[in-house]
Amino acid sequence: KAGVTQTPRYLIKTRGQQVTLSCSPISGHRSVSWYQQTPGQGLQFLFEYFSETQRNKGNFPGRFSGRQFSNSRSEMNVSTLELGDSALYLCASSLPRGHSNTGELFFGEGSRLTVL
Amino acid sequence: AQSVAQPEDQVNVAEGNPLTVKCTYSVSGNPYLFWYVQYPNRGLQFLLKYITGDNLVKGSYGFEAEFNKSQTSFHLKKPSALVSDSALYFCAVRGGLSGNTGKLIFGQGTTLQVKP
Repeated sequence: KAGVTQTPRYLIKTRGQQVTLSCSPISGHRSVSWYQQTPGQGLQFLFEYFSETQRNKGNFPGRFSGRQFSNSRSEMNVSTLELGDSALYLCASSLPRGHSNTGELFFGEGSRLTVL
Repeated sequence: AQSVAQPEDQVNVAEGNPLTVKCTYSVSGNPYLFWYVQYPNRGLQFLLKYITGDNLVKGSYGFEAEFNKSQTSFHLKKPSALVSDSALYFCAVRGGLSGNTGKLIFGQGTTLQVKP
């Protein structure tokens, strides 16, 4: 079974630009969560989508947005990039309760964003 | 609010010796606790979880964790460390009041260094 796939793996942008990151969850998983990982702040929750609806949202500015498609694939977008947005962005998928949910998240390899 | 603390930035052990990586938590209600491992430039890999049941939880790669409700701790252990165990370890607690959420609150991480 294929794991969580994130694209692109690496990208470089300049301040003020926008970026879109993509995540394909494990087949059958309907929940997708996004996390930002930085050396200073560690792992921080961005948002979670389930059945195309945002179910949870972390404490990030409105420049960070996401969406989920009917096939459970998800994208996140960061507009007006700032230097501080440089980070590893991780996507994770999981099953909802009642579907043999064992509780853990399955993470992709991440998209490493560098903002210059 | 849910929170997780990993009091040690780094743990150093010799190969073959037992290892412990510490984690304490603060939650409202019953805790859903997890350990993940991250190798350089990779995503997070699930090691083990505690939701209910036995206080000693066994996981992947010979790791186990002991849940202690009175001390609000969930320490990761392994009887005999391997050099290949060297990585960054994260303790996490599920962030929502319901168990059915992709929001995890992570500790700051502990770097485990196993020396030959």
